[in-house]
Amino acid sequence: AQKITQTQPGMFVQEKEAVTLDCTYDTSDQSYGLFWYKQPSSGEMIFLIYQGSYDEQNATEGRYSLNFQKARKSANLVISASQLGDSAMYFCAMREGPGGYQKVTFGTGTKLQVIP
Amino acid sequence: ETGVTQTPRHLVMGMTNKKSLKCEQHLGHNAMYWYKQSAKKPLELMFVYNFKEQTENNSVPSRFSPECPNSSHLFLHLHTLQPEDSALYLCASSQEDRDGNEQYFGPGTRLTVT
Repeated sequence: AQKITQTQPGMFVQEKEAVTLDCTYDTSDQSYGLFWYKQPSSGEMIFLIYQGSYDEQNATEGRYSLNFQKARKSANLVISASQLGDSAMYFCAMREGPGGYQKVTFGTGTKLQVIP
Repeated sequence: ETGVTQTPRHLVMGMTNKKSLKCEQHLGHNAMYWYKQSAKKPLELMFVYNFKEQTENNSVPSRFSPECPNSSHLFLHLHTLQPEDSALYLCASSQEDRDGNEQYFGPGTRLTVT
């Protein structure tokens, strides 16, 4: 079974609207972390937001928020007030275990296109 | 230089060539990673170095050989590659003694094997 599932290969959103990118995960660990990364066409992966499995509140970073629903094993990324520069690939990723070096599993990504 | 840098940014090599990819991190991190990103496939972890010791080798063919001389530098030596090895190779680093230890990525090397 895939550890990280992103079911939306591509998404469109109107500029200034909000958009939700879906991510579900599969793990039997009690301690894990969830990440979202953005990859523009230039290729560099940019860290956006992190949610720890024991964090009680949803993580927020500026226009990004992570809708963490532990029982459903979902960690959706919400981008508010979309901008043209948000057009990129978005990857959900999971670190299993309490730490040490990071073995992180990535999803297949969602291509987001912001329409003017 | 800041962050994670990778050279070269683009590389075209024949199947009989030997080349090396270089990664350098200026963040004071203690772990470094090599990933392979092929079209329409998830990012594949290839190698992990934690405190300069290799801690992960995900069944990578021996034609890929990593080297980590110190905590700031990571190399990927390539020899007798195959066309299916054409991909974007990403280097990353992280600090492994705290929670929420996100990885910082370099811009990648776009490799084409002819």
